[in-house]
Amino acid sequence: AQKITQTQPGMFVQEKEAVTLDCTYDTSDPSYGLFWYKQPSSGEMIFLIYQGSYDQQNATEGRYSLNFQKARKSANLVISASQLGDSAMYFCAMINTDKLIFGTGTRLQVFP
Amino acid sequence: DTAVSQTPKYLVTQMGNDKSIKCEQNLGHDTMYWYKQDSKKFLKIMFSYNNKELIINETVPNRFSPKSPDKAHLNLHINSLELGDSAVYFCASSPSRARVYGYTFGSGTRLTVV
Repeated sequence: AQKITQTQPGMFVQEKEAVTLDCTYDTSDPSYGLFWYKQPSSGEMIFLIYQGSYDQQNATEGRYSLNFQKARKSANLVISASQLGDSAMYFCAMINTDKLIFGTGTRLQVFP
Repeated sequence: DTAVSQTPKYLVTQMGNDKSIKCEQNLGHDTMYWYKQDSKKFLKIMFSYNNKELIINETVPNRFSPKSPDKAHLNLHINSLELGDSAVYFCASSPSRARVYGYTFGSGTRLTVV
């Protein structure tokens, strides 16, 4: 069965520092996609970054990078140079067959 | 232009009422979804339609009925609303290669049942 696990309910980081949000997943399908979404307090779901299961290189999008360790089934999100506007809920998600499933989320708070 | 738009954004209603939430996407995507986000922020898929055909129907009370008049629209009708239906409901859409491109979400409808 597919499963996404985010073990950090909350994280704090100082502005301009880097932070890693953990995500592990479980699937028996060799073909899958991993995603991170950001949900600010305004409520919308914002796509951040994608990693395919066959991608050889870790995905990067601006200050976001995905540390993909396939053998360990982990897909951690790294945010470099944190900004106050990064304070939000962050969801890891996976899709393989027919639906996108989410982890429970990590609330990130960036302080000055 | 908003890619996935939901109306209304907020909905406050009494127990026992019937209400609908509308969703439209202008991305040309084939598949649309309804998700429910509970008070603990957990997101769970409810339904999925592909070209007007229901393809995913998770364990959801039959008071919830999705309707897709065409592939750009997916509405959610809820009968006999209960307190436990209070949540944020998200509509989403995806292209056929969803495994690569993921889903695009609407801004959500916050439903409060009193």
